[in-house]
Amino acid sequence: SAVISQKPSRDICQRGTSLTIQCQVDSQVTMMFWYRQQPGQSLTLIATANQGSEATYESGFVIDKFPISRPNLTFSTLTVSNMSPEDSSIYLCSVGSGGRYNEQFFGPGTRLTVL
Amino acid sequence: AQSVAQPEDQVNVAEGNPLTVKCTYSVSGNPYLFWYVQYPNRGLQFLLKYITGDNLVKGSYGFEAEFNKSQTSFHLKKPSALVSDSALYFCAVRDLNRAGNMLTFGGGTRLMVKP
Repeated sequence: SAVISQKPSRDICQRGTSLTIQCQVDSQVTMMFWYRQQPGQSLTLIATANQGSEATYESGFVIDKFPISRPNLTFSTLTVSNMSPEDSSIYLCSVGSGGRYNEQFFGPGTRLTVL
Repeated sequence: AQSVAQPEDQVNVAEGNPLTVKCTYSVSGNPYLFWYVQYPNRGLQFLLKYITGDNLVKGSYGFEAEFNKSQTSFHLKKPSALVSDSALYFCAVRDLNRAGNMLTFGGGTRLMVKP
């Protein structure tokens, strides 16, 4: 299994500012995913980040709002730009092998509150 | 598209009683099914998965799940609930039609175990 850490664990931000969330994995992984979990809701995939290529965004999410970096096989960042209170959520980093038989592993999440 | 449904937003059981958290799925082809648990202020933890083979799958913390192809269900069960099992439970299906074969999650079921 992969051990995943995220920074920060939580933050309170002002409207209009940006926050960058870091995800560090203890082993090299091919696929990294960023999810959003709004209060009391399920997980929604924001984007898939592969090293060496542009992130692939899901419908409803755009690069200008959620820029992602994937500089190597153990690290990724997600930035939440020009934040509004509607961006208040838990943001989760996840890794997987891309194989059909394997589970995905999740980081502890970053709890973001936008005032 | 692959999907899972969790018909109950919340399940309440008394400590020591058996518990069931329901999940039904809709897939084209073979289903690859997963259960995750999210404790308060924590990320998702993998519990168990069904890939092939025995319909009764055993997982972490004494949980098991029963795969039923005719009913397209994958219910999570535990013979004797603990107060510490109180958490949010997610059923997920591997979506082989999406890049990265990532998981698609159900809406989640909150399990409350009362002493």
